[in-house]
Amino acid sequence: EIVLTQSPGTLCLSPGERATLSCRASQSVSSSYLGWYQQKPGQAPRLLIYGASSRATGIPDRFSGSGSGTDFTLTISRLEPEDFAVYYCQYYGSSPLTFGGGTKVEIK
Amino acid sequence: EVQLLESGGGLVQPGGSLRLSCVASGFTFSSHTMTWVRQAPGKGLERVSGITGSSGSTYYADSVKGRFTISRDNSKNTLSLQMGSLRAEDTAVYYCVKGGTGVPLEYWGQGTLVTVSS
Repeated sequence: EIVLTQSPGTLCLSPGERATLSCRASQSVSSSYLGWYQQKPGQAPRLLIYGASSRATGIPDRFSGSGSGTDFTLTISRLEPEDFAVYYCQYYGSSPLTFGGGTKVEIK
Repeated sequence: EVQLLESGGGLVQPGGSLRLSCVASGFTFSSHTMTWVRQAPGKGLERVSGITGSSGSTYYADSVKGRFTISRDNSKNTLSLQMGSLRAEDTAVYYCVKGGTGVPLEYWGQGTLVTVSS
């Protein structure tokens, strides 16, 4: 089973700042199957990034994903007020599908 | 527009059973793997179960294996999760999701809350 570890657990930033979120896999994985999701309080998660770097439909270009092997990154270039949320990485290349523990991006 | 509408959640006693349903629209349901993901209060996401479009393959988390059964009726665009021998740790919001192994979890329902308590 692939274990995904996200860091940091919480990121305190101000609107307009750059956010860099990390996701590390317990073993090398195919970047084709690495996704990122955003979840706001009381809402279902929303797919942001798939295949490590492709933005899902309707996702603003301030969100970008990168990485390969065991290390992946989600970058939000300039935080907007609506971006403060919890972010999860996920591997969907094999069963069991696994999620990271999440990174909360909160307002400083 | 893709829509996934879950129902069937509620309060159930430990050891009890519950059946969740999800009605899908806006895409060719029979062609897509579907997944149930749950989220315990204040916790992260856990894939509970998945099923391929043809129902040829099913997947279960170890935590629910032998207690939960996933199924689908492609003629009614409906995904189901039969849950038995429920435990307090099964308390969570359960999401119906389009996608699964090999495919990102692209669309999510609004979720249905299952509470297991006496």
